[in-house]
Amino acid sequence: QKEVEQDPGPLSVPEGAIVSLNCTYSNSAFQYFMWYRQYSRKGPELLMYTYSSGNKEDGRFTAQVDKSSKYISLFIRDSQPSDSATYLCAMPSGGSYIPTFGRGTSLIVHP
Amino acid sequence: EPEVTQTPSHQVTQMGQEVILRCVPISNHLYFYWYRQILGQKVEFLVSFYNNEISEKSEIFDDQFSVERPDGSNFTLKIRSTKLEDSAMYFCASSDGMRAPQETQYFGPGTRLLVL
Repeated sequence: QKEVEQDPGPLSVPEGAIVSLNCTYSNSAFQYFMWYRQYSRKGPELLMYTYSSGNKEDGRFTAQVDKSSKYISLFIRDSQPSDSATYLCAMPSGGSYIPTFGRGTSLIVHP
Repeated sequence: EPEVTQTPSHQVTQMGQEVILRCVPISNHLYFYWYRQILGQKVEFLVSFYNNEISEKSEIFDDQFSVERPDGSNFTLKIRSTKLEDSAMYFCASSDGMRAPQETQYFGPGTRLLVL
């Protein structure tokens, strides 16, 4: 079973929509949950991270973790065309904190 | 804002040739990393480097790969004898600590390597 699973999409939504991006994971040792955004021809950049179950909000972005289901989500409110990118979930494990990435979900927000 | 830079942006090489990918990490960072992303697949960790030595490496990072910090600014990845399956985007990253996720890894824009 793969450690981190993510639907590659693409997910296409109209501007202003609420977007839900999801990942599942199999390793119960994961304690930190991160979301990266990757624009075309760029490296990933850290968007948000959270340690525990529940919600964390940062502007239009909300990260949600359900450890009992091994399921994490990223919600984007009032989506903008500038949000069009690939969103990668990642979970570091062990003492080295090297992240294990999901495949990424491609998001397209059209005007 | 400081950023990680990588050169070249694209490299085409023949199978069996050596390639060196170059990175300039953010100047006050102490930890350096290489990742790769084969087209359509996940970003995969290759190696981390601290205090002039490898601190961790993945199964992908075999004897064909090596890393070096030849001076105070550059960090390089060498692939000694390239194979077709080495074709990928290679990302360099740097951080000022290892206590992720607080001490964020900053990624460069990548070098796209194509092995023919």
